Amino acid sequence: ETGVTQTPRHLVMGMTNKKSLKCEQHLGHNAMYWYKQSAKKPLELMFVYNFKEQTENNSVPSRFSPECPNSSHLFLHLHTLQPEDSALYLCASSQDGGDPYTQTQYFGPGTRLLVL
Amino acid sequence: ILNVEQSPQSLHVQEGDSTNFTCSFPSSNFYALHWYRWETAKSPEALFVMTLNGDEKKKGRISATLNTKEGYSYLYIKGSQPEDSATYLCAFSGDGGSNYKLTFGKGTLLTVNP
Repeated sequence: ETGVTQTPRHLVMGMTNKKSLKCEQHLGHNAMYWYKQSAKKPLELMFVYNFKEQTENNSVPSRFSPECPNSSHLFLHLHTLQPEDSALYLCASSQDGGDPYTQTQYFGPGTRLLVL
Repeated sequence: ILNVEQSPQSLHVQEGDSTNFTCSFPSSNFYALHWYRWETAKSPEALFVMTLNGDEKKKGRISATLNTKEGYSYLYIKGSQPEDSATYLCAFSGDGGSNYKLTFGKGTLLTVNP
């Protein structure tokens, strides 16, 4: 148990649906991250939030819309996705206190998304 | 674009064997190198954070070394057990304004056969 939870664990959606992924961290961290993991590819950073402010958007298509209402919660809103968006979406958090050890990211178990 | 390479991609060993794998990363602007262990259907779990050239870290039967000048790190597992079966990821962070940002390799999938 890493202290980071994600719901749902599995999601199947059509291309016209709108859905949201939720992440919650119970570690008191100030930074939260969304990653995408596709088959045969490394983890790809999508978004970073630090103290609720978005600090990184890694050229992610606008059909993915993040929301960070507070330092403990992170959402990824999905709309009009494509089949190639099917992947594992991982959330992570870190303390980000300015030294390498606080860089350590704690991951949730991920949401396995299938877009039909 | 940062390139973090891990080899081999996958590895099958027998219980009791010792094994090692490699992570290569850019040797310039180094800040830290992280190793993670990721079991199927679970969350990636941090193993080590390494910062200094020549660093060696150990956790039970798992150890790691770091060479920042040539840009590589080795992960060693001594006397592999079936429960060591997992994907081992390394992640690099560079020295700069966004040193919180980790660039991951594709991982090495280790399978330990009983």
